Amino acid sequence: GAGVSQSPRYKVAKRGQDVALRCDPISGHVSLFWYQQALGQGPEFLTYFQNEAQLDKSGLPSDRFFAERPEGSVSTLKIQRTQQEDSAVYLCASRHTAEQGQVPQYFGPGTRLLVL
Amino acid sequence: EDQVTQSPEALRLQEGESSSLNCSYTVSGLRGLFWYRQDPGKGPEFLFTLYSAGEEKEKERLKATLTKKESFLHITAPKPEDSATYLCAVQAITGGGNKLTFGTGTQLKVEL
Repeated sequence: GAGVSQSPRYKVAKRGQDVALRCDPISGHVSLFWYQQALGQGPEFLTYFQNEAQLDKSGLPSDRFFAERPEGSVSTLKIQRTQQEDSAVYLCASRHTAEQGQVPQYFGPGTRLLVL
Repeated sequence: EDQVTQSPEALRLQEGESSSLNCSYTVSGLRGLFWYRQDPGKGPEFLFTLYSAGEEKEKERLKATLTKKESFLHITAPKPEDSATYLCAVQAITGGGNKLTFGTGTQLKVEL
């Protein structure tokens, strides 16, 4: 079956522009996560949705970052007034249950954001 | 704060030369430890979940093991197609229990 898809795959933005990154999770997956991965680093947690509810946004680095999942399926991560330090790969992951333990998250290919 | 440390940072092996990757962790209460493989330009691909000390899981040339403080990913007779970055992550019982905390990965290169 289809995996997690993300679009666009690459995005170049000028400093100060707003960007929107889209994630299509695996059909029927309840949980959705966003991570940020800097070059040479492991992914870092940004935010978590259970269906349409955003239950954890403790990893969002500033109030310029905003995420939504209005119908409990597709999610959008929005970054306002982009800065050079926002340059990274943004990964989306989904999980079929709301249970926390031992159930893997499945990742999309990521969106590589470059802010000039 | 949950922490994951992976070693070595990079590893170069000859085809058929077995080795192990290490993942040391500190976590308030372990709900699960996960191994992922990541190829350049792609997202992490799930390999294994471990929970109990002493637990082992195998898949082809890979075997993952878990103790109370670390996990090992053993690679037996590797092939060039095993070249990738291997990521270890933990999921804690307390706090943000749904998130994964990752290490920085081990970049494996297998040469002919």
